[in-house]
Amino acid sequence: DTGVSQDPRHKITKRGQNVTFRCDPISEHNRLYWYRQTLGQGPEFLTYFQNEAQLEKSRLLSDRFSAERPKGSFSTLEIQRTEQGDSAMYLCASSLNDAGNTIYFGEGSWLTVV
Amino acid sequence: DQQVKQNSPSLSVQEGRISILNCDYTNSMFDYFLWYKKYPAEGPTFLISISSIKDKNEDGRFTVFLNKSAKHLSLHIVPSQPGDSAVYFCAGDPINQGGKLIFGQGTELSVKP
Repeated sequence: DTGVSQDPRHKITKRGQNVTFRCDPISEHNRLYWYRQTLGQGPEFLTYFQNEAQLEKSRLLSDRFSAERPKGSFSTLEIQRTEQGDSAMYLCASSLNDAGNTIYFGEGSWLTVV
Repeated sequence: DQQVKQNSPSLSVQEGRISILNCDYTNSMFDYFLWYKKYPAEGPTFLISISSIKDKNEDGRFTVFLNKSAKHLSLHIVPSQPGDSAVYFCAGDPINQGGKLIFGQGTELSVKP
């Protein structure tokens, strides 16, 4: 399968714990995005990378969130000191650089904070 | 503030008939519009897109129409099939924003046999 891959697919964690999600984009894609989706809402942009450079972060991304893409390939999203409000589906997506290129999403990582 | 809205949370259609999903946006600073289909517990799957300089784009059973004066777009599915039952999201790709999509709230389509 050459699509966007995310791991783990599901994570249940206790409030206050740290969690990390991994995303492997489509291999030739140099842009990588993180979105968050809660029930009844559309996905909301969190941050994106062009190669290894993180170019933009949403106001939704508090100081407890950090994302990296160290070699311009896979990316990690870490949430520190999780809160119940962090419970959501975290979606990774990738695309080629040029405008108008389709953005492809992975299957998402469900986070439940208890 | 750029917003994309899908005002109908749900739509029910008979198999074989046309499904029309609607989407409105509040300003003109979008480069492209995209439609995604989403099943529960899965990520969005790309369906079809349209450039802001076009009025129509067609791909098989899916056609997207863009009315720039009304700031409105619609996705037509003909004929509708039970496997089309899912949540459909409209998204705008703002100009020079690096592909940072702005999504609507989604419309749940149910196609009944």
